[in-house]
Amino acid sequence: SQTIHQWPATLVQPVGSPLSLECTVEGTSNPNLYWYRQAAGRGLQLLFYSVGIGQISSEVPQNLSASRPQDRQFILSSKKLLLSDSGFYLCAWSKVRGDAEKLFFGSGTQLSVL
Amino acid sequence: KQEVTQIPAALSVPEGENLVLNCSFTDSAIYNLQWFRQDPGKGLTSLLLIQSSQREQTSGRLNASLDKSSGRSTLYIAASQPGDSATYLCAFKAAGNKLTFGGGTRVLVKP
Repeated sequence: SQTIHQWPATLVQPVGSPLSLECTVEGTSNPNLYWYRQAAGRGLQLLFYSVGIGQISSEVPQNLSASRPQDRQFILSSKKLLLSDSGFYLCAWSKVRGDAEKLFFGSGTQLSVL
Repeated sequence: KQEVTQIPAALSVPEGENLVLNCSFTDSAIYNLQWFRQDPGKGLTSLLLIQSSQREQTSGRLNASLDKSSGRSTLYIAASQPGDSATYLCAFKAAGNKLTFGGGTRVLVKP
């Protein structure tokens, strides 16, 4: 069966510090991978998605970047965090099967930038 | 731009009552619509996915319907239980690989 791992679960970082959140998927190959952010009181916002190694699409201009160094590994990074980067970050994957592709989420990382 | 709206934003019901959660979308070119459950501080769990060619999907006490002509989907939860308390989100998929999420409905089932 497929599983998705995301860590850390919580993170408190000072403004201006770097960020690295990691997500890995097991039990499948060539998944589509996604990073979402869920700010308090707001819906999910898609930040990045990837359809293959080294292929990253950015949805919104921001202080963050993403990389996919391996097929089942997706990394969210920042060189210098801003207060506005605080939020709940979710990694997700889907398997392309035409229309019927469900989205499966990791457990999330609560990031607080102080 | 695709918009997905969920009303109400919050709902409180006594245990045993049926729940009706609404989701509306503005784009009729739908591929599928997915309902998720999110517990506080946790990730999202997929509940049901309705393809564009389907009118409904059922799983246990859950039933989701899709009406493309009116741009609406409804999630029914029969005989609600306190364990059903969570936030429920719908997500619309049109062209490409991206989902558009609604803001969610926060449900509280009181024992």
